[in-house]
Amino acid sequence: NAGVTQTPKFRVLKTGQSMTLLCAQDMNHEYMYWYRQDPGMGLRLIHYSVGEGTTAKGEVPDGYNVSRLKKQNFLLGLESAAPSQTSVYFCASRREFDGYTFGSGTRLTVV
Amino acid sequence: AQSVTQLGSHVSVSEGALVLLRCNYSSSVPPYLFWYVQYPNQGLQLLLKYTSAATLVKGINGFEAEFKKSETSFHLTKPSAHMSDAAEYFCAVSRGGTSYGKLTFGQGTILTVHP
Repeated sequence: NAGVTQTPKFRVLKTGQSMTLLCAQDMNHEYMYWYRQDPGMGLRLIHYSVGEGTTAKGEVPDGYNVSRLKKQNFLLGLESAAPSQTSVYFCASRREFDGYTFGSGTRLTVV
Repeated sequence: AQSVTQLGSHVSVSEGALVLLRCNYSSSVPPYLFWYVQYPNQGLQLLLKYTSAATLVKGINGFEAEFKKSETSFHLTKPSAHMSDAAEYFCAVSRGGTSYGKLTFGQGTILTVHP
């Protein structure tokens, strides 16, 4: 019972590079979310998905894209990384009427 | 729109003292409210949640919170702090329904526990 697994755990990117963060859940949850956490700002929603094949924008979607081709996976892409995207990224999933299960996070630094 | 305000970015208490972390919310519809805890270099763990049942909610690790609609508050308390309670705590609000459970988080409160 792994729960929500995020890969990688750490990454350093140069400005302009691209990368994909992977979130995998083994709980058969319908809903999945990507948040970013910055000091003093709590967590802010980037994108979310209400089921396989669906995605929607959250509070801070600019500069990110997502895909949910399989129910268990939710990918977050950065096409051209910027220093402002230095953050800790958290994936979460949940069932209807239930609480969130969070992954352990990906710490991304863009230099 | 909904929002959450956590009063105090840092709270310091002595071991054995009362813990009180404050959270006020705004929501145009009856809210679902949550408290999460984050230990260093870890993800968030659910402490407790209010979903329109009992207004006094008991959670894990001896924490509880009371929903007060008239004050739009959902403060987190614990009668006696332990060293292991040192962490960052987040209050969050969700509308449920067509908002698909999207959470809006407060800024977080770092709890320090002194021996």
